[in-house]
This record gives sequence, C-alpha cells and structure tokens, in this order.
Amino acid sequence: NAGVTQTPKFQVLKTGQSMTLQCAQDMNHEYMSWYRQDPGMGLRLIHYSVGAGITDQGEVPNGYNVSRSTTEDFPLRLLSAAPSQTSVYFCASSSGVRFYNEQFFGPGTRLTVL
Amino acid sequence: GENVEQHPSTLSVQEGDSAVIKCTYSDSASNYFPWYKQELGKGPQLIIDIRSNVGEKKDQRIAVTLNKTAKHFSLHITETQPEDSAVYFCAASMRAGGTSYGKLTFGQGTILTVHP
Repeated sequence: NAGVTQTPKFQVLKTGQSMTLQCAQDMNHEYMSWYRQDPGMGLRLIHYSVGAGITDQGEVPNGYNVSRSTTEDFPLRLLSAAPSQTSVYFCASSSGVRFYNEQFFGPGTRLTVL
Repeated sequence: GENVEQHPSTLSVQEGDSAVIKCTYSDSASNYFPWYKQELGKGPQLIIDIRSNVGEKKDQRIAVTLNKTAKHFSLHITETQPEDSAVYFCAASMRAGGTSYGKLTFGQGTILTVHP
C-alpha cells in the first residue's frame, strides 16, 4: 500500500502559468481533500470530494479547480497561478464509513509562484 | 465558519518533562477533535483524537482532554523524548452537509522542541 501519493514534490511557476497537482490513493477511500499550508496559518481546506463525480468548496477555493473522475485520483488545477498561491499543498483521503474517520495525508507539493 | 486558536506557537522542554498544547474552537457544531504531528518535510499524521461525547482519552504517553462547555481541548505529552520534536496541529471537525465527511479546521500549529 503506497497510501496517498502526490506529484510533483516541488514546482516553480511564473505568474499566469497553469499546472495540475496530482494526488492518488490506493486505499479505496471515498473521501479526498486538498489543503494548503502557509506559515503561521495551519492547514486550510481548498476543495473536497465525497465520491467520484462529487466535489465541493472548502475554506479557500478561489483560483483552484478540481474534478474527480475515479475513486483513486483527485487532481488540483491552478488555471492562472498567482504569487499568493505560493504554498505547500497536501492531499488527504479518508474512508466514508464514519464521520470521525482518520484523514491520511500525502507528503505534499511545495509550489513557488514567481 | 469554525475558528480554531492554538497556543503556544513554540514550546521548548527538556527530555523527560511534560508538554501541554491548548486549543479553543468557536462552533459548538464541531464534534470531533483530532491531533496531528508533522515531521519536517512530511505530511501530518494523526496521533490521537477525541469525540465530543468523551472528556478524556489516553494512549501511552499522550492524552487529550476536552471541555465542551468552554470549547477547549488540550494535548498532553508526558516523559517527552527528542523524537517528539515536531509541529503539532489541533483540529476541529464538523459534518459537511448530508454526508459523513468531516470538514477539518486546523489550529496554527505548535513547534515542539525536546532538548536531550
């Protein structure tokens, strides 16, 4: 079991460029989430998905798009990167069996937007 | 929405001492409170959690307490060891809509350093 995997580990973009952060899980988890982590602010929820084809916004969704076509994958798209999106991005997954199921986090992608 | 405040932001202790990290939350609808440990360059990992119908939970050297009335919860680590050095995050979770998905709101994090 690889758990939650994220690619790339590091990325540098110029303002206005687009890119997709990849996230995959092999635990057959129903729920997946994207967070960003900024110094002194903890982790903030960007978007989440409660199943294939179902996504919803979190606390800081502006500038990000998601879709979920399979149970395993949950990519995060930046359509036009801005310096304010410089952050570390974490993907997480959890089983949908109970409300208090543990969220398992990936290793993160460190993104710098110049 | 929910707001979680965490203190202190940094905590330095000697090996063998106890460490306490405190969090407060604002929304009484939150009913699940996990604690995560994040080591350098890694994603957060769950170390202990507590549900709103429980006042205290213990797992070896770590314990969590919850005061629902005051909307406070705390992490206690006893007999600290250098490998406990990491960033610790508290979180509060409430159910999203008609699903069993729990939306997590995190505290700002505490950098714990345990000196040998």
